[in-house]
Amino acid sequence: SQKIEQNSEALNIQEGKTATLTCNYTNYSPAYLQWYRQDPGRGPVFLLLIRENEKEKRKERLKVTFDTTLKQSLFHITASQPADSATYLCALPRGYGGSQGNLIFGKGTKLSVKP
Amino acid sequence: EPEVTQTPSHQVTQMGQEVILRCVPISNHLYFYWYRQILGQKVEFLVSFYNNEISEKSEIFDDQFSVERPDGSNFTLKIRSTKLEDSAMYFCARQGLAGAGELFFGEGSRLTVL
Repeated sequence: SQKIEQNSEALNIQEGKTATLTCNYTNYSPAYLQWYRQDPGRGPVFLLLIRENEKEKRKERLKVTFDTTLKQSLFHITASQPADSATYLCALPRGYGGSQGNLIFGKGTKLSVKP
Repeated sequence: EPEVTQTPSHQVTQMGQEVILRCVPISNHLYFYWYRQILGQKVEFLVSFYNNEISEKSEIFDDQFSVERPDGSNFTLKIRSTKLEDSAMYFCARQGLAGAGELFFGEGSRLTVL
């Protein structure tokens, strides 16, 4: 079955630097991959979706890459700010034939941006 | 502004009691989902609901769980006889308008089973 690994449980960086978070999956390459932000005690907030035929997607200071050969997605936050501190979750569809909203989530990487 | 509104925000119950968690969509959507997150663990899929019927459910969603849309608007998750291990955050979500699988979650209902 599909598994997701977000290699770092925690990442601490200085304000202004670029944060890079990694998401690896183990089985088939999904049709798309998503990134969410989750603050303590709150629901996940959708950030970006990247499809298998897209190498890169950008939204403001966020950039996501998708390498189906490496079975990996990288999530970058440029010019990071303390307000970016949160847990970032990677998510994939569970499998072919499943409903689109049936997602497998990674455990997340907790990002702390120090001023 | 949350995409869906969930009530209650926090419920404490005794083991064996029935619990009903509610979700009210802000706008009219057909696809809804329930997820849960045990403290410190991953967000896990429970069930998807399309056009007033369950379309898919996980192995977690056993006979103790049920979902309904009783009045065509509110969307409920019922746990018939709660167990200690049901303590978690329960999130309702709707699918994005792009229909590409992105989800928009509510703020969640925290369930504590004593």
